[in-house]
Amino acid sequence: GAVVSQHPSRVICKSGTSVKIECRSLDFQATTMFWYRQFPKQSLMLMATSNEGSKATYEQGVEKDKFLINHASLTLSTLTVTSAHPEDSSFYICSAREPGTGATGNTIYFGEGSWLTVV
Amino acid sequence: AQTVTQSQPEMSVQEAETVTLSCTYDTSESDYYLFWYKQPPSRQMILVIRQEAYKQQNATENRFSVNFQKAAKSFSLKISDSQLGDAAMYFCAYRSNTGNQFYFGTGTSLTVIP
Repeated sequence: GAVVSQHPSRVICKSGTSVKIECRSLDFQATTMFWYRQFPKQSLMLMATSNEGSKATYEQGVEKDKFLINHASLTLSTLTVTSAHPEDSSFYICSAREPGTGATGNTIYFGEGSWLTVV
Repeated sequence: AQTVTQSQPEMSVQEAETVTLSCTYDTSESDYYLFWYKQPPSRQMILVIRQEAYKQQNATENRFSVNFQKAAKSFSLKISDSQLGDAAMYFCAYRSNTGNQFYFGTGTSLTVIP
């Protein structure tokens, strides 16, 4: 299957600072990437859909100014948590949709995830 | 919005035995895709198996197979010859043929007993 890489896997930052998480599709071009947040022992919560060359589409309740998403190329999307606070501490996962039609083009592959701790 | 329900928060299976994880979904669409993803302790989500709704034949991937019942809107995952490495959280997911979003169930935590 397609490979998606996410970096960093773990990051600790001070309250009030910003942190950037990168999501890369390594062996395919992803026109669409997704960013999720996962709380302990819970399912994935979609934060936003990132489309290459256009603004991200945020889910209701997700602060656009706090969670900045940039999809500048077909292989890279970034999530920047601005002015981070301890309540932003969580596990963030990206995924990318493989191009194509049918099942192939409708499957998403996930990055390894990033643990963010805000102290 | 479509909903995906996994009614078994936790399941356990003896090593080498077979276990079935259940998933139901709610949709008014006829064309869609269904997936099972596995999330081991490493937390990376791994695609286990996928099914196109227009295909009547159940998908299989080695020890993993599904029982897709379109009329009943049911999509269960069968794991045969369970191995210790199968221990993980399993998420059922739905994707419409239109629109971008995936809908995930709440997950089933599978324990494999040696």
